[in-house]
Amino acid sequence: QVQLVQSGAEVKKPGASVKISCKASGYTLSNYGISWVRQAPGQGLEWMGWISGYNGDTNYAQKFQDRVTMTTDTSTSTAYMELRSLRSDDTAVYYCARRPYSIGLPDYWGQGTPVTVSS
Amino acid sequence: DIQMTQSPSTLSASVGDRVTITCRASQSISTWLAWYQQKPGKAPKLLIYEASNLEVGVPSRFSGSGSGTEFTLTISSLQPDDFATYYCLQYSSQYTFGQGTKLEIK
Repeated sequence: QVQLVQSGAEVKKPGASVKISCKASGYTLSNYGISWVRQAPGQGLEWMGWISGYNGDTNYAQKFQDRVTMTTDTSTSTAYMELRSLRSDDTAVYYCARRPYSIGLPDYWGQGTPVTVSS
Repeated sequence: DIQMTQSPSTLSASVGDRVTITCRASQSISTWLAWYQQKPGKAPKLLIYEASNLEVGVPSRFSGSGSGTEFTLTISSLQPDDFATYYCLQYSSQYTFGQGTKLEIK
């Protein structure tokens, strides 16, 4: 069955970087994209961007363009999202999700990785 | 950027009720709209894509309609498992979520 397992909770200081992993199983990573979405405490969902598992092409939300890097390692079926220059308002749960090219939408999601940014 | 406005923000209803949630886009998005359900502490679940297509495994009491700038999600007969928060998502130009509608038990 399709599973996306994310790395564990992170606590970071302002200005630091965080890199979250998302290990895919039950399907071939290169045949799908991976989307990243975050959710601040008590708030709604915010799309951050996506990466093609086929060729590594990325599409970032303009808001994160300067601070985010999404990558994949098809040899380990793992996707990564690095967010730099963290601020307190980056405190959120970060989700990865499989993105089928056929519908262009996240379908299967990871369990989420809480990131807390605090001095 | 395309903005998505959902209404209502909160909806109180009873088991068996028919409920409708609306999502409006700031410009035409054709039918590039999806609906997600999210329960507390859980990841979102895809319900509907391209405005009206039911994702595999989603109960038929869920339906979606609309095109252009106005869209609706309808649950024909609420079940206890349906009380959750619902989000629309436009994917015509980049991706933008609505602010969410919390469906509560009356």
